[in-house]
Amino acid sequence: SQTIHQWPATLVQPVGSPLSLECTVEGTSNPNLYWYRQAAGRGLQLLFYSVGIGQISSEVPQNLSASRPQDRQFILSSKKLLLSDSGFYLCAWNNPPGYEQYFGPGTRLTVT
Amino acid sequence: DAKTTQPNSMESNEEEPVHLPCNHSTISGTDYIHWYRQLPSQGPEYVIHGLTSNVNNRMASLAIAEDRKSSTLILHRATLRDAAVYYCILRDAVRGADGLTFGKGTHLIIQP
Repeated sequence: SQTIHQWPATLVQPVGSPLSLECTVEGTSNPNLYWYRQAAGRGLQLLFYSVGIGQISSEVPQNLSASRPQDRQFILSSKKLLLSDSGFYLCAWNNPPGYEQYFGPGTRLTVT
Repeated sequence: DAKTTQPNSMESNEEEPVHLPCNHSTISGTDYIHWYRQLPSQGPEYVIHGLTSNVNNRMASLAIAEDRKSSTLILHRATLRDAAVYYCILRDAVRGADGLTFGKGTHLIIQP
């Protein structure tokens, strides 16, 4: 069966510090991978998606970047965090031609 | 993706059926209707999806209007664990790997 891992589960970082969140998927190959963010009191927003190694599409301009160094690994990064980067970060995957997406447990980031 | 409209919140009693409505009057012919739910402090969970015909799975049923401008997610016998935010999402089948566009969803409250 397929599983998706995200770490860390929670993170508190000061403004201006770097960020690296990791997501890995097991039990599948060539998945589409996604990063979403849910800010406090707001809905889920798609940040990035990837259809293959090294292929990243960005949905909104922001202080964040994404990379996919391996087939089942997706990394979300920032060089300098802003207060507005606080939120619940979720990684998801799906296997085309299937439509359903499967979400990880999330990372709760607080920027202070 | 076309827009959906859902009630902000609904309340139901445990062990009774729940009907969650969704309006999508601008749906296109290639839009699939997806439902996800998000329990507190967790990532969204896929529930069900359909195109034209009603669909059933172990979690729920999806009833789609004949003109496809509305749909209803049916939980046959609600439990306390069904308390969550339920999202109705349209996803164009021809858009390939694009992510999901989440609205505000319906906050379902289950009374014991």
